[in-house]
Amino acid sequence: AQKVTQAQTEISVVEKEDVTLDCVYETRDTTYYLFWYKQPPSGELVFLIRRNSFDEQNEISGRYSWNFQKSTSSFNFTITASQVVDSAVYFCALKDSNYQLIWGAGTKLIIKP
Amino acid sequence: EAGVTQSPTHLIKTRGQQATLRCSPISGHTSVYWYQQALGLGLQFLLWYDEGEERNRGNFPPRFSGRQFPNYSSELNVNALELEDSALYLCASSSGTGLSETQYFGPGTRLLVL
Repeated sequence: AQKVTQAQTEISVVEKEDVTLDCVYETRDTTYYLFWYKQPPSGELVFLIRRNSFDEQNEISGRYSWNFQKSTSSFNFTITASQVVDSAVYFCALKDSNYQLIWGAGTKLIIKP
Repeated sequence: EAGVTQSPTHLIKTRGQQATLRCSPISGHTSVYWYQQALGLGLQFLLWYDEGEERNRGNFPPRFSGRQFPNYSSELNVNALELEDSALYLCASSSGTGLSETQYFGPGTRLLVL
């Protein structure tokens, strides 16, 4: 069965620190997609990144980077030099042959000034 | 390009009443998804519509229903409201049903049942 685990319920760091949010997934499929979304206090889910199972290249977008490792079924998200505006709940999700998004429980990230 | 829009932003109802929530997808998107997010909890999949048809349904009672109109907008109806239906209801849209399709979300409707 498919499953997404975000073991960190809440992370609190001081501004400018680097922080990594973990995401571990389970699927029997060889073709699947992984997603990260950000949910700020306003509530709207903001799409951050999509990665397919055949592309294990790491991705960097400004202060954000993603590390995809099939060997450990992980798709971790790192924020470098965190800012207060990064405070939000971050969700990792998996989509495989069931064509439904399987969501992790989310990690609440608190960036203190 | 306008994103996914939802109305109303807030809705207050009393137990037993009916609630109707509306969603307009991104222009060109044919699939609409509904999710429930109760306070402090994760996202629970409710319904998926594509090209006017219901494609899949989450583990919710039949009093949660909806439809998709010819212009691809969608409506979620919740009958016989219960206190535990209080939640943020999020709508998302995608341009197709493929595995690679990304869902883009609206701002949500906050439903409070008193």
